Amino acid sequence: EDQVTQSPEALRLQEGESSSLNCSYTVSGLRGLFWYRQDPGKGPEFLFTLYSAGEEKEKERLKATLTKKESFLHITAPKPEDSATYLCAVRPFSGGYNKLIFGAGTRLAVHP
Amino acid sequence: DSGVTQTPKHLITATGQRVTLRCSPRSGDLSVYWYQQSLDQGLQFLIQYYNGEERAKGNILERFSAQQFPDLHSELNLSSLELGDSALYFCASSPRGGPGETQYFGPGTRLLVL
Repeated sequence: EDQVTQSPEALRLQEGESSSLNCSYTVSGLRGLFWYRQDPGKGPEFLFTLYSAGEEKEKERLKATLTKKESFLHITAPKPEDSATYLCAVRPFSGGYNKLIFGAGTRLAVHP
Repeated sequence: DSGVTQTPKHLITATGQRVTLRCSPRSGDLSVYWYQQSLDQGLQFLIQYYNGEERAKGNILERFSAQQFPDLHSELNLSSLELGDSALYFCASSPRGGPGETQYFGPGTRLLVL
């Protein structure tokens, strides 16, 4: 069964304290792995798409990496405005449609 | 702002009632997706449409139905509502609905069933 697990469930950081969020997945082939950011009561905001092991993408203080079994979202010198829930989703290989399977998310709180 | 719009933002109704949620995709996108987000289930895929036709179904209840119109907007109809249907409902869109395409999400409709 296709599955996505994110860890930790919640993370509290001090401003400037770098860390990583983990997304491990079990799928029948991978057509894409997606990272989204979600603020409370808002829609998920697209961050990155990764397609193959070894791929990396960067945007401001965020960097996403992908291996054959997991992805990491590295946050460098975070600021309070980075506080949000970070969602990981995978698009399995099977089927011609574009269904995403989401993890439960990591709630990140960055304190000044 | 993703370019995906959803109305209404909030909806409060009673058990047994029927409601319609509306979504307009980003300009140029032909595929629309509906997701449900509840506290205990996370984001769950419901259904996908491409250019007016149903493309894929996920964990959508028989009491729920959707359609995509010629102008590409989509509606999600929820009937015989139960307390457990209270959730955030999101619409997303992508250009052609193909595998690996990025989906852009709307702001959501918060449904409360009393």
